[in-house]
Amino acid sequence: EIVLTQSPATLSVSPGERATLSCRTSQSVYNDLVWFQQKPGQAPRLLIYDTSKRATGIPARFSGSGSETDFTLTITGLEPEDVAVYYCQHRSNWPPGLTFGGGTKVDIK
Amino acid sequence: HVQLVQSGAEVKKPGASVKVSCKASGYTFSNFGFSWVRQAPGQGLEWMGWISGYSGDTKYAPKFQDRITLTTDTSASTAYMDMRSLKSDDTAVYYCARDGRKWYGWVDPWGPGTLVTVSS
Repeated sequence: EIVLTQSPATLSVSPGERATLSCRTSQSVYNDLVWFQQKPGQAPRLLIYDTSKRATGIPARFSGSGSETDFTLTITGLEPEDVAVYYCQHRSNWPPGLTFGGGTKVDIK
Repeated sequence: HVQLVQSGAEVKKPGASVKVSCKASGYTFSNFGFSWVRQAPGQGLEWMGWISGYSGDTKYAPKFQDRITLTTDTSASTAYMDMRSLKSDDTAVYYCARDGRKWYGWVDPWGPGTLVTVSS
């Protein structure tokens, strides 16, 4: 089973600065990597799929990159409304499942 | 627009069963499937299973294989998650989310969640 490890666990960033979130996988997942944002008290929202494609309505300040086992979500110019927990996720064919990373909490410095 | 509406909060005793519903609107139900994901208080996301809205095919996480049943009612555009033999550590918010018709694609959008509390 593939394990997703996110770092750091918590990230404090000043408004307007860049936030860089990491997701490492225990085996190559090629580009099958997704990012979600979960604000307090809300359901998760799809941000990025296939490593780097922004979902509909997602601002351009969110970008994804990486390949194989090393992936990054970058928020360029953090806004106060970006305070949330961010999860990476991979879909496995065998054993079948959606695996989530442990999450990175982003807050305002 | 695409919307998922889940049934209301439940309080159950250990050993009981719960059935959570997820009504979809704004798209053709049989063109997609559903994944169910839960989140215990203050914890991360845990995938439970997937069902195709087209074929009814299912996939279950091994941890839940023996305790949950996923079904759909195409005529009602509704998906259901039935969990048996509830324990206190099943207390969580249970989310349905639109997934692929086949085991492919990405999960979007998510329902608002249903809080299930298991307590004696």
